[in-house]
Amino acid sequence: SSELTQDPAVSVALGQTVRITCQGDSLRSYYASWYQQKPGQAPVLVIYGKNNRPSGIPDRFSGSSSGNTASLTITGAQAEDEADYYCNSRDSSGNYVVFGGGTKLTVL
Amino acid sequence: QVQLQESGPGLVKPSETLSLTCAVSGYSISSGYYWGWIRQPPGKGLEWIGSIYHSGSTYYNPSLKSRVTISVDTSKNQFSLKLSSVTAADTAVYYCARWAMGGWFDPWGQGTLVTVSS
Repeated sequence: SSELTQDPAVSVALGQTVRITCQGDSLRSYYASWYQQKPGQAPVLVIYGKNNRPSGIPDRFSGSSSGNTASLTITGAQAEDEADYYCNSRDSSGNYVVFGGGTKLTVL
Repeated sequence: QVQLQESGPGLVKPSETLSLTCAVSGYSISSGYYWGWIRQPPGKGLEWIGSIYHSGSTYYNPSLKSRVTISVDTSKNQFSLKLSSVTAADTAVYYCARWAMGGWFDPWGQGTLVTVSS
């Protein structure tokens, strides 16, 4: 079973703000990274570190963390943001990698 | 621009060994970073398999460690995955990716579907 917990599904109205969360003890020590995956495609990194976006990722994507919970916020969600989102980090020991179970985002 | 490309058989028989290679272009494996394998069963989430440094230092998922071997060939700028004694539960899309010690994977290969079936 995954050591990072995500809500299976979240929905947001077009243009509104949505927050996707990831919970786990390892997040007290390590930052979460976030990936967007569209059907039939490989995951794409959207947030890493404290709150960093790779080149080409829109600034409507942002990350934050508090205690054992990391959050990915999409401010002004677009239709193209509809996808599965996964978080990952090192595990509590620091020796392994863990992924959350994923959140399916629907843009209404 | 760093690019990764997985290759290997798309069909493996139960109890046999799954073997995949990830060719890296646009970056020398010897320059740094770890390199990893991740898989995704059809309709399910992502599972980390393991990661390797150019020196050969490895980290493996404890749940797969007894069956996994990851190796690196710096002369060919590629790294490989072997998963032994496969069953239908190992059917998945297998991805390779560059792994930063901060914990993130970027970029990813396009993925390759491996089906375990007789």
